[in-house]
Amino acid sequence: GQNIDQPTEMTATEGAIVQINCTYQTSGFNGLFWYQQHAGEAPTFLSYNVLDGLEEKGRFSSFLSRSKGYSYLLLKELQMKDSASYLCAPMDSNYQLIWGAGTKLIIKP
Amino acid sequence: GAVVSQHPSWVICKSGTSVKIECRSLDFQATTMFWYRQFPKQSLMLMATSNEGSKATYEQGVEKDKFLINHASLTLSTLTVTSAHPEDSSFYICSARDGGRPGDRGPSETQYFGPGTRLLVL
Repeated sequence: GQNIDQPTEMTATEGAIVQINCTYQTSGFNGLFWYQQHAGEAPTFLSYNVLDGLEEKGRFSSFLSRSKGYSYLLLKELQMKDSASYLCAPMDSNYQLIWGAGTKLIIKP
Repeated sequence: GAVVSQHPSWVICKSGTSVKIECRSLDFQATTMFWYRQFPKQSLMLMATSNEGSKATYEQGVEKDKFLINHASLTLSTLTVTSAHPEDSSFYICSARDGGRPGDRGPSETQYFGPGTRLLVL
């Protein structure tokens, strides 16, 4: 079967760094996406990894290890507006995104 | 860039009526659009994949006669919830897959989401 494992909820402090881990199992693999979803809103695209390694984009970075079925999203210099759910979505062999429930990140002042 | 709009953003209707939701890609052409449903605190659930000019592909358990999808152009897909019932109340979100353009956009497989439509069936 296909599944995604992410922590349900994490709490971090404004200005700090947080790493959200994701492990996945899919039928085939065509890359992995990270999306941000604020409460009551639709997801917005953050990053895409298809090769092993770290992709940096401003305050956000995403890492992928295909052999381990593992990815993480690293958020630096946390701001209150970063409070949201973060969705790890691998793409299977049919180019379908597999969605989990995501990680709810709570930022405290 | 990669903007997707959805209309309406809110719908309240009586049980038994039909509701149409529009999804438009505003600054790119989308050969493929996706329709999702999301219940509170749950993951996105893919309902169907819509390809321009052809019939939609529905996920298992989704009634194609109840959720009618039309993708008549490269920028517009519609979802019609027919004979809506209270259990159809949910957050409906569309996404469009961008063919891939230069810049800081994602790869061609990236799905860009509309803002969603909240449906409440009384």
